[in-house]
Amino acid sequence: GAVVSQHPSRVICKSGTSVKIECRSLDFQATTMFWYRQFPKQSLMLMATSNEGSKATYEQGVEKDKFLINHASLTLSTLTVTSAHPEDSSFYICSARDYSSSYNEQFFGPGTRLTVL
Amino acid sequence: GQNIDQPTEMTATEGAIVQINCTYQTSGFNGLFWYQQHAGEAPTFLSYNVLDGLEEKGRFSSFLSRSKGYSYLLLKELQMKDSASYLCAPMDSNYQLIWGAGTKLIIKP
Repeated sequence: GAVVSQHPSRVICKSGTSVKIECRSLDFQATTMFWYRQFPKQSLMLMATSNEGSKATYEQGVEKDKFLINHASLTLSTLTVTSAHPEDSSFYICSARDYSSSYNEQFFGPGTRLTVL
Repeated sequence: GQNIDQPTEMTATEGAIVQINCTYQTSGFNGLFWYQQHAGEAPTFLSYNVLDGLEEKGRFSSFLSRSKGYSYLLLKELQMKDSASYLCAPMDSNYQLIWGAGTKLIIKP
């Protein structure tokens, strides 16, 4: 099946610094990737939809200047959390849509746990 | 609006059968996914239904009724490793997945 990797798996940073998270589709081309955030015991919250070669579409309430998304190739999307604060601490998960699959399903990366001190 | 309704938590016994129900309202419909999510991990795909009826896949089966906005996930021969959250996620007219909080399933010996 399709595999999506995410790096790093865990990151601890100081308040005010920036953190970059990478999401890669390993064995398929992903024209569309999604970035989610999940707080403990809550549902996945879609932050933005990233299309290769174009600007990301952000969900309402998500600051595009704070959460920078770049989808420069068909296999890589990056999320940069700029000037991170403790309230940004969360589980960040990317997914990629494999349009060649029968179901158009999203395959998820393993997630990145961000802790901002 | 769009919303998902699933029980917050369910408990079942190892070896038994459990049915997790889901009702949904979406703007348009392009199928419904079930995902499993273990604590601290990302969701993994379990099943997809786009037509009414039952889809069977080993110990897991998923049912859909589009007219009722209803789906269920049936897990048979429960194992301890099935303890996880189960997420019902319909896909709307824009092919966006709509997520609820999921059902936390606790398996007891």
